[in-house]
Amino acid sequence: SAVISQKPSRDICQRGTSLTIQCQVDSQVTMMFWYRQQPGQSLTLIATANQGSEATYESGFVIDKFPISRPNLTFSTLTVSNMSPEDSSIYLCSVIDLARGDYNEQFFGPGTRLTVL
Amino acid sequence: GQNIDQPTEMTATEGAIVQINCTYQTSGFNGLFWYQQHAGEAPTFLSYNVLDGLEEKGRFSSFLSRSKGYSYLLLKELQMKDSASYLCASMDSNYQLIWGAGTKLIIKP
Repeated sequence: SAVISQKPSRDICQRGTSLTIQCQVDSQVTMMFWYRQQPGQSLTLIATANQGSEATYESGFVIDKFPISRPNLTFSTLTVSNMSPEDSSIYLCSVIDLARGDYNEQFFGPGTRLTVL
Repeated sequence: GQNIDQPTEMTATEGAIVQINCTYQTSGFNGLFWYQQHAGEAPTFLSYNVLDGLEEKGRFSSFLSRSKGYSYLLLKELQMKDSASYLCASMDSNYQLIWGAGTKLIIKP
């Protein structure tokens, strides 16, 4: 199974600032995703991080607010820009390795707990 | 359209059996996942079904009926540590997961 680490694990930020979250995988993986999970809610997909090209954003999420980078097959970053208290959430990185064949398990990182004051 | 439904909350007794149902409508269906999520932690993988039938893995089993758009997760010999949210998710042809809202399972002694 893929082992995923995220930095930071948690942060408390001021309104109007930006935070970059890093996701590191211990092996090359095909697909990387960024999710948000607000308290008591299920997961909401923000975007698919594409290697060497712009991320694919879901409805309601835009690049100016959530810029994403994926310079290689093991690393991605998500920036939460110009933060407001509504951005307080857990942000999760997840991966799928299609090279494993038809067993398309999606692995999750430990999450970054963000509080915006 | 894409849609996933599962009960919001269920309660069961330690040592008993509980079945958590999930119905889905997914274009380009590519499999059904169950994840367990304890409060404050990331989801962890439980099972994956892409063919009809029952997959058994220890105390947990998962069932899929593609024709009915229906799955269930069966938990046997319930333990207090099984108290968690159980998330149903269907995968589409683009390998993206459509998530249910999760079922909060409360285990009572």
